[in-house]
Amino acid sequence: IAGITQAPTSQILAAGRRMTLRCTQDMRHNAMYWYRQDLGLGLRLIHYSNTAGTTGKGEVPDGYSVSRANTDDFPLTLASAVPSQTSVYFCASSTGRGDTQYFGPGTRLTVL
Amino acid sequence: DQQVKQNSPSLSVQEGRISILNCDYTNSMFDYFLWYKKYPAEGPTFLISISSIKDKNEDGRFTVFLNKSAKHLSLHIVPSQPGDSAVYFCAALAGGTSYGKLTFGQGTILTVHP
Repeated sequence: IAGITQAPTSQILAAGRRMTLRCTQDMRHNAMYWYRQDLGLGLRLIHYSNTAGTTGKGEVPDGYSVSRANTDDFPLTLASAVPSQTSVYFCASSTGRGDTQYFGPGTRLTVL
Repeated sequence: DQQVKQNSPSLSVQEGRISILNCDYTNSMFDYFLWYKKYPAEGPTFLISISSIKDKNEDGRFTVFLNKSAKHLSLHIVPSQPGDSAVYFCAALAGGTSYGKLTFGQGTILTVHP
């Protein structure tokens, strides 16, 4: 089934550890995005990529990095996790900028 | 600074009645608006959208209304069904350098009672 997959589904992480959240899409979409969802704040954009090889900062990029080596994969890395990064993380993709975004199932991350 | 606001955290409606979800925005650069629906443990799914050149868009039971002068949009669901129970997010897109970046509201939990 075409779509977006995210891994892991959930993770508990000790503060200070490094963690990479994986995102893969098979729709050949050019644009990909990472959001975090927090209660009372909705979804906030962390980083985005308009096409393979390019990335940009969203609303809340601090503490996160991304790479876009190819069209399908868009990993999100927390270099040194902190408790405030406890959240549900969603990856999304779209055909191009401004097009409807399709979301993955999310990764629930808890940093202790 | 919340540029897209959904001031009602929750809404409860009887099956068969109309559900009205509201959304306000402050950024005049927003020119495209979307509604997403989210079930627990799933990602948001696209529901309906509207361009700023229109004031209404309809898709089956779902209608979105846009009032640009008031910077307000609303989603109407008629008739409401128990399967519509979910969190609804309003989102907006701007042109220019922000092109492609969705700004979301906080979400409204809709509960439709049988």
